[in-house]
Amino acid sequence: DTGVSQNPRHKITKRGQNVTFRCDPISEHNRLYWYRQTLGQGPEFLTYFQNEAQLEKSRLLSDRFSAERPKGSFSTLEIQRTEQGDSAMYLCASSLTTGGKAETQYFGPGTRLLVL
Amino acid sequence: AQSVTQLDSQVPVFEEAPVELRCNYSSSVSVYLFWYVQYPNQGLQLLLKYLSGSTLVKGINGFEAEFNKSQTSFHLRKPSVHISDTAEYFCAVTNTNAGKSTFGDGTTLTVKP
Repeated sequence: DTGVSQNPRHKITKRGQNVTFRCDPISEHNRLYWYRQTLGQGPEFLTYFQNEAQLEKSRLLSDRFSAERPKGSFSTLEIQRTEQGDSAMYLCASSLTTGGKAETQYFGPGTRLLVL
Repeated sequence: AQSVTQLDSQVPVFEEAPVELRCNYSSSVSVYLFWYVQYPNQGLQLLLKYLSGSTLVKGINGFEAEFNKSQTSFHLRKPSVHISDTAEYFCAVTNTNAGKSTFGDGTTLTVKP
């Protein structure tokens, strides 16, 4: 079990550019979550998948943000036309959920985005 | 809707002293409760969790927490802290059916020699 991995760990981009982050969950986990964390705050929920289905999206997820989990394994989070306010740590978590009940989420190391 | 309030944003304490980090939550439905620790520039590591059963839960690194339903609290305690416990600590609640978590704003624990 290698845990949740995220790539890249750091990303610096210029305003207006597109960025894409990848998350590889723990292999048998069926749920995958994305959170955003800004300095001095706790993580805020963005979206989550059960297998390949995106079940919920936060209102924080503007139309510039899109997430996919095409084969129910890894996931990507894309931000189009980045803005300085997008600068944050983007955290991915996964869990094994059975019977519709929530279970423990295991977090990756995060991708820190800086938009100049 | 649910919310989490971590009552202390910063807690300074001397090494080997006891510590309590306070967490209150609000929810109209049943929840699971978690404490995570975050070291600088890293992700969140699970310390302990309450899903059901005994209200006193023990976690890693000598931490424990007590779930109090009547007071809607889940305070984290450690009887004797080490320098290495210096980190950010987050309390979180999860709707038992929804899965997504709501986090508090964190408590910075600073252990001084």
